[in-house]
Amino acid sequence: IAGITQAPTSQILAAGRRMTLRCTQDMRHNAMYWYRQDLGLGLRLIHYSNTAGTTGKGEVPDGYSVSRANTDDFPLTLASAVPSQTSVYFCASSDLPHQGTGELFFGEGSRLTVL
Amino acid sequence: DQQVKQNSPSLSVQEGRISILNCDYTNSMFDYFLWYKKYPAEGPTFLISISSIKDKNEDGRFTVFLNKSAKHLSLHIVPSQPGDSAVYFCAAPRPGGGADGLTFGKGTHLIIQP
Repeated sequence: IAGITQAPTSQILAAGRRMTLRCTQDMRHNAMYWYRQDLGLGLRLIHYSNTAGTTGKGEVPDGYSVSRANTDDFPLTLASAVPSQTSVYFCASSDLPHQGTGELFFGEGSRLTVL
Repeated sequence: DQQVKQNSPSLSVQEGRISILNCDYTNSMFDYFLWYKKYPAEGPTFLISISSIKDKNEDGRFTVFLNKSAKHLSLHIVPSQPGDSAVYFCAAPRPGGGADGLTFGKGTHLIIQP
C-alpha cells in the first residue's frame, strides 16, 4: 500500500544522545512535513520541505534539524535529545500545488521517550 | 498565537445522536479548512474540508459548516457511531497557501457512548 513509512515506531533514548527519525514516502509528493503531537497541545509543525533541496522552519523548530536530499526521504534529527522532546512525531506529505483539498497524508508516527 | 482554536478538549455523545465539534479561527484570509480524525496509535487521517467560498460541505454522515462572519466552523456527525470515537482536529493552511503546511487546533476527543 502506497503511503508514508516512519521508523522507528518507538524508541527510548537517553538525554544528550543523537537520534534520527526516518520518513520515506512513495507517493512522489513534493512537499513533506514533520509534526509533533503532545497532549493538550495538538499537532505542531517542526520543519517542512516544499521540494527536494529546500527546507523551512515551522512553529517549534528549536533542537531539530532536517534534510531533503531527494523526493522520497525526509529525516528528522535531534542532535542532543532533551526530555521535553518526548513526544509522538508524525511525518506527512502533500502534492504541490495543492489539488482540491490541500490535505496532508500522515504516517503512523514515531513515539520517542527521552529520559 | 494560535490561529485555529478548539476550546472543548472532550465531548461525550450517545450513540445515534448528533455530535457537534466546534472550531474558531482568527485569520479571515484562510482559503479553506480541513478536519482530521485520529485514532490512538495511528496517524491523523483526512475527514472533510470546506472552501472559504462555501458555507456548507456534506459527505455522508459528516457535514462541515462555515460561518465566516463569526470566524467559526463546526463538524456535525449524524448519526454518531461507536467507530467515531477519536480525536478530531480542525486545520487551516499556514501562510504560503498551505505549501508550508497546516496549522492545527488542539483537538477534541469525541467519545460515543453506547
